[in-house]
Amino acid sequence: GENVEQHPSTLSVQEGDSAVIKCTYSDSASNYFPWYKQELGKGPQLIIDIRSNVGEKKDQRIAVTLNKTAKHFSLHITETQPEDSAVYFCAASMDSSYKLIFGSGTRLLVRP
Amino acid sequence: AAGVIQSPRHLIKEKRETATLKCYPIPRHDTVYWYQQGPGQDPQFLISFYEKMQSDKGSIPDRFSAQQFSDYHSELNMSSLELGDSALYFCASSFSIGTPNTEAFFGQGTRLTVV
Repeated sequence: GENVEQHPSTLSVQEGDSAVIKCTYSDSASNYFPWYKQELGKGPQLIIDIRSNVGEKKDQRIAVTLNKTAKHFSLHITETQPEDSAVYFCAASMDSSYKLIFGSGTRLLVRP
Repeated sequence: AAGVIQSPRHLIKEKRETATLKCYPIPRHDTVYWYQQGPGQDPQFLISFYEKMQSDKGSIPDRFSAQQFSDYHSELNMSSLELGDSALYFCASSFSIGTPNTEAFFGQGTRLTVV
């Protein structure tokens, strides 16, 4: 089955700096890659997603890149703000299944 | 905008008891997913339903069962509860129309504590 690895497990950046979180997946059939932000005591919130027919997608300060050949995708957050502090999860899915396989999460801390 | 509604938000049960968690998807969403999240862990997929039929199954124990009703809400039934079942249980919904890879939106979760 699909396996998703996520790095780093924790990331501390200064406010205004950029943050990058990386994920790799094992099953080349995966073709949908969402990113979720989870704050303490809340459910995961979809922040951006990308499909395998696209190499990059951007939404304001957030961007995601996908390298299908290498089977990895990354989340980029620019101009980080303290309210970006949360746990971020990457996930992967494929057309043949109604499920998301999550990475292990990255705890992002943005220092004021 | 309406979100995924889960009830109850918190539940305390004793070992060997049963629990029922409810999920009300976003209006017009046809797919419901259930996930279990232990402390400090990523969400683990349990089961999903598309148009009231089970669409995929993950690491759901035989003690658990779920279904999706005609109004698209879903219930997760958990029997013979064990201490290890203590976790956050999330429901998510999406508008799939037969295409699995669509945006899934999560509810706020039910925190189950088994004592």
